Amino acid sequence: AQTVTQSQPEMSVQEAETVTLSCTYDTSESDYYLFWYKQPPSRQMILVIRQEAYKQQNATENRFSVNFQKAAKSFSLKISDSQLGDAAMYFCAYRSEYNQGGKLIFGQGTELSVKP
Amino acid sequence: EPEVTQTPSHQVTQMGQEVILRCVPISNHLYFYWYRQILGQKVEFLVSFYNNEISEKSEIFDDQFSVERPDGSNFTLKIRSTKLEDSAMYFCASSLQGSGGPLLDEQFFGPGTRLTVL
Repeated sequence: AQTVTQSQPEMSVQEAETVTLSCTYDTSESDYYLFWYKQPPSRQMILVIRQEAYKQQNATENRFSVNFQKAAKSFSLKISDSQLGDAAMYFCAYRSEYNQGGKLIFGQGTELSVKP
Repeated sequence: EPEVTQTPSHQVTQMGQEVILRCVPISNHLYFYWYRQILGQKVEFLVSFYNNEISEKSEIFDDQFSVERPDGSNFTLKIRSTKLEDSAMYFCASSLQGSGGPLLDEQFFGPGTRLTVL
């Protein structure tokens, strides 16, 4: 069975600085998707960025980028130029390519605080 | 922008009672999901639903749980006889497809219903 682990329960960053959130996963599959979701306080979880395992190039979305290391089964999220609005719980998630039903497997979450 | 909505935001019930959690997915979406998060623990998959059938369910989703799409807009999760350990935040999500790439299979989440079983 696949598992996702986020070893940093809490992280803190100064506004305008860069922070990296870590995520590791375990799978025997070769084709899968990885995601980072953001959950602001009392609001919906929203997708921040996704990575297809077959793509070697790391995904980027504006200030958000990932460092995908397939062999190491590592998928970290880098947030550049951190803003106050980035404060949230961040979840790493895995989805199998072979699962047509769309089941997401989540990590424990990392709570990011941004200091002005 | 379309959103997934959930009602109620907080439900308190007595152990052994039945509860129904309601969700309104995004209107043109075809896949529906329930996840739950016990306080301090991971978000866990419960069930996925497509074409009026369960596509996949987890080991958590036992006979006490059921899902239904009673009309064209609502998607419900019923817990027949609640237990203390059912206390959790329950999230509904929907997607256009179950797989297929960006935009097609992105899951949109609702704000959650906090279920407290006393």
